[in-house]
Amino acid sequence: GAVVSQHPSWVICKSGTSVKIECRSLDFQATTMFWYRQFPKQSLMLMATSNEGSKATYEQGVEKDKFLINHASLTLSTLTVTSAHPEDSSFYICSARRWTSGSYNEQFFGPGTRLTVL
Amino acid sequence: AQKITQTQPGMFVQEKEAVTLDCTYDTSDPSYGLFWYKQPSSGEMIFLIYQGSYDQQNATEGRYSLNFQKARKSANLVISASQLGDSAMYFCAMREGPAGANSKLTFGKGITLSVRP
Repeated sequence: GAVVSQHPSWVICKSGTSVKIECRSLDFQATTMFWYRQFPKQSLMLMATSNEGSKATYEQGVEKDKFLINHASLTLSTLTVTSAHPEDSSFYICSARRWTSGSYNEQFFGPGTRLTVL
Repeated sequence: AQKITQTQPGMFVQEKEAVTLDCTYDTSDPSYGLFWYKQPSSGEMIFLIYQGSYDQQNATEGRYSLNFQKARKSANLVISASQLGDSAMYFCAMREGPAGANSKLTFGKGITLSVRP
């Protein structure tokens, strides 16, 4: 399967600071990248969908100014949590889709980033 | 209404036995896809198996098979010959509509599976 990396794997920051998380598709070009948030023992909640070179599409209830997504290239997307607060502490997972004609549209997940805001 | 329902409490299975994890879904779209993912304690989501709504046969991938009952809108995952490494959280997910670049996955709440030696 294809490989998606995330950096950092974990981060601890003070309240009020901003944190950037990188998501890279290492061996394929991703048509679309997705950002999810997951609380302990809970499901993955989609935050936003992004395509290279265009603005991200955010899910209802997700603050665009709080969670900034930049999709700079076909292999890199970044999520910046601005002015982080303790309630933003969570597990953030990115996913990259490799589009192949006739396929079921494979989606590959990164290993996740655990954010703790003190 | 929830689109993906996983209601089983934590599941336990003896090593080498088979186990079925339940998943029901709700959609009015005739074209959809159903996925199962495994999430071990490390957090990484691992793709296990896929079933398309128009697929005539149940999907199989090694020890994993999907019991697809379209009329009942269920897509249960069967793991045969359980191994200790199968202990993890398992998520059922659905893509509504035909596969497309921006089509989204909706995940169920997940089921925790513990394999006993």
